[in-house]
Amino acid sequence: AQKITQTQPGMFVQEKEAVTLDCTYDTSDPSYGLFWYKQPSSGEMIFLIYQGSYDQQNATEGRYSLNFQKARKSANLVISASQLGDSAMYFCAIAGGTSYGKLTFGQGTILTVHP
Amino acid sequence: GAVVSQHPSWVICKSGTSVKIECRSLDFQATTMFWYRQFPKQSLMLMATSNEGSKATYEQGVEKDKFLINHASLTLSTLTVTSAHPEDSSFYICSASTSGGANEQFFGPGTRLTVL
Repeated sequence: AQKITQTQPGMFVQEKEAVTLDCTYDTSDPSYGLFWYKQPSSGEMIFLIYQGSYDQQNATEGRYSLNFQKARKSANLVISASQLGDSAMYFCAIAGGTSYGKLTFGQGTILTVHP
Repeated sequence: GAVVSQHPSWVICKSGTSVKIECRSLDFQATTMFWYRQFPKQSLMLMATSNEGSKATYEQGVEKDKFLINHASLTLSTLTVTSAHPEDSSFYICSASTSGGANEQFFGPGTRLTVL
């Protein structure tokens, strides 16, 4: 079984500042992948970033970076230089080797970017 | 590339009727499609996994006779909510994968179902 915990129901950040969204996970799979998705009010799920459990370096995609701390089982998302369009719900998710393809999502964090 | 569509994008129906939601991969062949359900301001919950040409695998607690899933081709999966009731009102999202892997999974835009 796998579990994702996002402890921040809501976060606020000033435009152009950086923000960290927390995510901790639990899994018994030795191999797994961690994902972050953005869901704006329209409902579509937008893939942001992926980190494999055996990746040595933290993943980065433009303004998004994933702070992967395997020993602490955390996979926090860092958004640099926040923009108004970043306001949305953000989900952390995990997929393990034994449940190939199945994504388990966290509860989500609503991010609001203030001008 | 990697576009997934859903139809309809929203639907309102009367209690007791059945509703069919289509999920299509437009520019790739999807060996596996996943169906999720999301209540307002909540997380996505996986309902079932479907592989082309075989029966869907349902998650624990999901009624397979109520949520009929058909994956008839490599580009189309359908979810039929049978005898819908107000508690079935939700946001239904599909995703499609070329290989079944999560890191090659592409989401549709979702279908909002309201049962009166």
